[in-house]
Amino acid sequence: EPEVTQTPSHQVTQMGQEVILRCVPISNHLYFYWYRQILGQKVEFLVSFYNNEISEKSEIFDDQFSVERPDGSNFTLKIRSTKLEDSAMYFCASSEGQGASTEAFFGQGTRLTVV
Amino acid sequence: GESVGLHLPTLSVQEGDNSIINCAYSNSASDYFIWYKQESGKGPQFIIDIRSNMDKRQGQRVTVLLNKTVKHLSLQIAATQPGDSAVYFCAEAFGTYKYIFGTGTRLKVLA
Repeated sequence: EPEVTQTPSHQVTQMGQEVILRCVPISNHLYFYWYRQILGQKVEFLVSFYNNEISEKSEIFDDQFSVERPDGSNFTLKIRSTKLEDSAMYFCASSEGQGASTEAFFGQGTRLTVV
Repeated sequence: GESVGLHLPTLSVQEGDNSIINCAYSNSASDYFIWYKQESGKGPQFIIDIRSNMDKRQGQRVTVLLNKTVKHLSLQIAATQPGDSAVYFCAEAFGTYKYIFGTGTRLKVLA
């Protein structure tokens, strides 16, 4: 069964350092997303990406964040200068289409710990 | 404002009983709703979805009910099993590009 894969599963970084979280969406999907979940809290939307550009982003997704699809298979989230409050689980998701009746498949997540 | 919330943070049920998890939403323009299950340390796993032009949808052991009049969504799990223990999130699809998740309900299945 096709699945969204994320690497690494756990990333520890020093405050102020740059991190790149990697995702391989399901191969025939066209829409890609990043969500995050702070420990014990709900899943929050960060950004959606389609046709090599950002479709929508939340207020969490400030200038420290960027996304890229560097090749035909990877989808990355970069945090330029990490802060303690960036510590969270980051989930990548992809979907075949958009809007109603479009199921998004989530990866297993990357746990980011900023120290 | 727009919000998706859950009535109960924790639900404990006996194995074999039916579970009902509830969710309230406030955006009457939302056209798609999804229930996700999240086990510890894992990503959200799709359970069932429903479009706004429906009021009920059934899957294997699960049923989702949508009441647009009171903006209420529920997930019914029949014959709850230990493997059903997890956090359940409802999510609301806004327009085309994102889901808004609720805060989650932890389901505990008692042997």
